[in-house]
Amino acid sequence: SAVISQKPSRDICQRGTSLTIQCQVDSQVTMMFWYRQQPGQSLTLIATANQGSEATYESGFVIDKFPISRPNLTFSTLTVSNMSPEDSSIYLCSAGSGLSGYTFGSGTRLTVV
Amino acid sequence: QQPVQSPQAVILREGEDAVINCSSSKALYSVHWYRQKHGEAPVFLMILLKGGEQMRHEKISASFNEKKQQSSLYLTASQLSYSGTYFCGTEDYGGSQGNLIFGKGTKLSVKP
Repeated sequence: SAVISQKPSRDICQRGTSLTIQCQVDSQVTMMFWYRQQPGQSLTLIATANQGSEATYESGFVIDKFPISRPNLTFSTLTVSNMSPEDSSIYLCSAGSGLSGYTFGSGTRLTVV
Repeated sequence: QQPVQSPQAVILREGEDAVINCSSSKALYSVHWYRQKHGEAPVFLMILLKGGEQMRHEKISASFNEKKQQSSLYLTASQLSYSGTYFCGTEDYGGSQGNLIFGKGTKLSVKP
């Protein structure tokens, strides 16, 4: 299964600023996914990032707020823009194939002050 | 539509068994099971596909009842290492491949 390196692992940011989260996969994958998880709660899919096409966003998430880059088959970034305290959460990327399951990055714990 | 997991939490003594259920209101293509330990990323356990067989991961097994649109995770002779939160993630026929909708999770605590 794929191994994913995600960074930063945590950050504290000022409101109104932006943070870019990076995920590097050790093998080529067609689909990558971005999730948000409040501590102690479930995972919510933000968007699906396929190389060579625009990311597909889930209801409640928009490109202006969460722009995603997928320049190649091993890398993706998620930017959290114009942050507010409500954006404080854990952000995780995921990749893999359906039959082998999906691997998650170690997560980015974001605190907006 | 978020799948419903039950129970929300369970406490076991080492060696005891437990069952975690995951139900959906939609026709499912697949059900994934993950375990997440505190402060760590979710870890894939197994996938159940429509028409597929019951799966097993160590002493953990799972079944998928397509007609009832539900899956069950069976933890046999639990070990301390089984502690964590278990999530089911479902793919339905109306969604895109890989778009998993996760349940709220079941917190499992195994005591010595």
